[in-house]
Amino acid sequence: QLQLQESGPGLVKPSETLSLTCTVSGGSISSSSYYWGWIRQPPGKGLEWIGSIYYSGSTYYNPSLKSRVTISVDTSKNQFSLKLSSVTAADTAVYYCARHLRYFDWLLGGFDPWGQGTLVTVSS
Amino acid sequence: SYVLTQPPSVSVAPGKTARITCGGNNIGSKSVHWYQQKPGQAPVLVIYYDSDRPSGIPERFSGSNSGNTATLTISRVEAGDEADYYCQVWDSSSDPVVFGGGTKLTVL
Repeated sequence: QLQLQESGPGLVKPSETLSLTCTVSGGSISSSSYYWGWIRQPPGKGLEWIGSIYYSGSTYYNPSLKSRVTISVDTSKNQFSLKLSSVTAADTAVYYCARHLRYFDWLLGGFDPWGQGTLVTVSS
Repeated sequence: SYVLTQPPSVSVAPGKTARITCGGNNIGSKSVHWYQQKPGQAPVLVIYYDSDRPSGIPERFSGSNSGNTATLTISRVEAGDEADYYCQVWDSSSDPVVFGGGTKLTVL
């Protein structure tokens, strides 16, 4: 059974870079059927997609975050990572990683399964 | 960017049918996915590609999509169905992944 686990600092200072890693177990990140995504949820609010990456390194990003986001993949470790620069309090959220269904390179689907999520607080 | 509109809340009595809508411009031309999120838990995919159910999701959950509205229908609602529900689409022309604002389902 595929499982995803987020890891990284729970507290980041304003203006610094948030870095998280998602470790995939029970399956290969190099599958042609999936992208791998990051989604966040501010406390008490809805879901916001950050971006998704294919094992080859192809990416899709949320246009509103694109200037601050880098998503990378390490197939040797079965991991993918998120970097979000110049964070502010508005970036405080639970960050989820998830498998993103791929039909074609130009048509992706839903997210399943999701990691348990990790709360990242931006505060000095 | 593409916008998905969901009602903030829906209430239903146990055993009845709940319908949660997701509105968007010509959403019928897109594939819609639905998630259930219980408090303190990660979202779970309950419907994908408009109307398909992942393994392990009860048949009580169904979906439809036409025109400007997609609908998640939960039949014979149980107390355990109380949760937030989100719709999501893929729109490669602009904002690739869009989530609706979420609907809180309350079982009376």
